[in-house]
Amino acid sequence: GESVGLHLPTLSVQEGDNSIINCAYSNSASDYFIWYKQESGKGPQFIIDIRSNMDKRQGQRVTVLLNKTVKHLSLQIAATQPGDSAVYFCAENQERFGAGTRLTVKP
Amino acid sequence: GAGVSQSPRYKVAKRGQDVALRCDPISGHVSLFWYQQALGQGPEFLTYFQNEAQLDKSGLPSDRFFAERPEGSVSTLKIQRTQQEDSAVYLCASSPRGRINNSPLHFGNGTRLTVT
Repeated sequence: GESVGLHLPTLSVQEGDNSIINCAYSNSASDYFIWYKQESGKGPQFIIDIRSNMDKRQGQRVTVLLNKTVKHLSLQIAATQPGDSAVYFCAENQERFGAGTRLTVKP
Repeated sequence: GAGVSQSPRYKVAKRGQDVALRCDPISGHVSLFWYQQALGQGPEFLTYFQNEAQLDKSGLPSDRFFAERPEGSVSTLKIQRTQQEDSAVYLCASSPRGRINNSPLHFGNGTRLTVT
């Protein structure tokens, strides 16, 4: 299949380690943030979201942190697995996507 | 259940040709979005429909781009007189609620357009 994100920032981790992917957003008025995972040849897949009235939200193996003061968002993946290898995008509301980070998990 | 379906999966067009890209959203979903994704970049918003109404077309790059959703379900993105810079993956996404309610999007796998 086609490759998405040939020139993206990359993060390489060992299987079982924790991963942290960061994202800076631009609009201080944004009130909804989403993390998506995109595998090669597929559309983005929802991982977790957070609204601006929260600063942390946890899912299964994933945690999103929101720092509105510095307009920063992070995605933490616990016990990273090879199946987590993909490009990860943050999005403000439903319209502005970040450039993405390619996560590679080494077995 | 069925997700968002896009067709064709791949499209090769000669410069100057018109193309039509189809999106079948999840049944009953109110919101439908189109995005353009260039290689190595995040999706860029093109246009938004709430049911059959096109409420936002601010992301369409030129008047060669036209989208419709006449019955509030299937949508078509049409590009007239294609140019090489139109080469990209075109993604469609739907959501059960209106945009103002902010909910996660369900994406199709996209149509990869190559203009030669």
